This record gives sequence, C-alpha cells and structure tokens, in this order.
Amino acid sequence: EIVMTQTPLSSPVTLGQPASISCRSSQSLVHSDGNTYLSWLQQRPGQPPRLLIYKISNRFSGVPDRFSGSGAGTDFTLTISRVEAEDVGVYYCMQATQFPLTFGGGTKVEIK
Amino acid sequence: EVQLLESGGGFIQPGGSLRLSCAASGFTFRNYAMNWVRQAPGKGLDWVSTLSSSGSATYYADSVKGRFTISRDNSKNTLYLQMDSLRVDDTAIYYCTRYVRFNDYWGQGMLVTVSS
Repeated sequence: EIVMTQTPLSSPVTLGQPASISCRSSQSLVHSDGNTYLSWLQQRPGQPPRLLIYKISNRFSGVPDRFSGSGAGTDFTLTISRVEAEDVGVYYCMQATQFPLTFGGGTKVEIK
Repeated sequence: EVQLLESGGGFIQPGGSLRLSCAASGFTFRNYAMNWVRQAPGKGLDWVSTLSSSGSATYYADSVKGRFTISRDNSKNTLYLQMDSLRVDDTAIYYCTRYVRFNDYWGQGMLVTVSS
C-alpha cells in the first residue's frame, strides 16, 4: 500500500498571503502508462470534497488559477498563491496509481 | 450538470446490513468507473471500493473485503454498495464519486451509523 504523508497538519495563513501544502508518497507515483495519478481535493466545512488538481498540475474545471500543483515522483506540492477567505478547509492529496487508492491525512488551512 | 445522489443510509446495529444507492445524472454513466469513499466523523477520507464502467472489475479496501459488494445497473444509471456484517467502525459518511483515475465529481454523502 502506498502511504501518503501530508505536511503541515495545520496551516494558519494571512489573507492575501501564499500557502503551500506538501504531500509525499512512500513510493513513486509514476504509472506504467507514464502518467502520475496524484490529485488534490478541497473540503470546506460541512461540504463534500471537491477536486482541485489532477495528474499533479492540471486544474479542474472552475478552479481558480490561484491554485497550482507541482512535483514529481514522490514529492508533490499544492500552492495557493493568495489565500482568500473561501479557501478555508481541509486539503487532501490522493494517489490513484495503484490499488488500494490512498489519501493523505489532510491539511487544515485556516485564517490567522 | 453532473449530479450524484446517495440514498439508503441510516442507523443500524452491529452485524446488520444496509444497501446504499447512488443515482447518477448529467453524464453517460455506463462509460465511467465509479468509487465509494467514506469519512468517519471528524476523520479523513478513506477509499472503500471501485467498480469499472462495465461492472466486470471490482476492487475493495481490505477493511471491507468479504463484507461489502459494489455493483451497478447501467440501465438505471445507479451505483450500489451492499454492506453486510456492519461494524461500529464502519460508521461514516459514504460518498459516491465518478472515477477517471481521480475523483472528479462527488455526491453530497450519506451518513451510515452503526451502533448498539
């Protein structure tokens, strides 16, 4: 099983400032088809999760461009360029390169 | 607009059974694999099961293997999760998702509470 480790657990940020979340996998997420199936999800309080980024760096439909993803192999980062109040919530990374599908433990983004 | 609507949750005693349904609309259901993902109260996300678009391939988390069965009816655009031998630690919100090597659409979730 691929273990996904997110840091930090909590990220207090000032409105308008950047925020970064790290996600590390216990083994490479490069699939035999050449793709890397690492995605990022946002879960606002009381809401279901919502897809932000797929295959490391592709923004999903309707996702603001202040969200970006980067990384390769086993190390990945989600960056919010300028945090807005609506970005408060918990962020998860997920790998789908192999079964079982696994999620990171989550990072809570809150406003200072 | 893609919509996924779960139903069938509720309160059940340990050892009991429940069947969750997920009604899909806004896309060609038979062309997509589907997932169930759950979230225990106050906890993170936990993958439960995946079913291929045709229904021929199934995958399960070890924690539910042998107790849960995922299935679909492509004529009714509906995904199912039959949950047997339920345990207290199966208590969670269960989400239905569309799966294309990432979960691009999520339902609102259905709470399942297993308690004596």
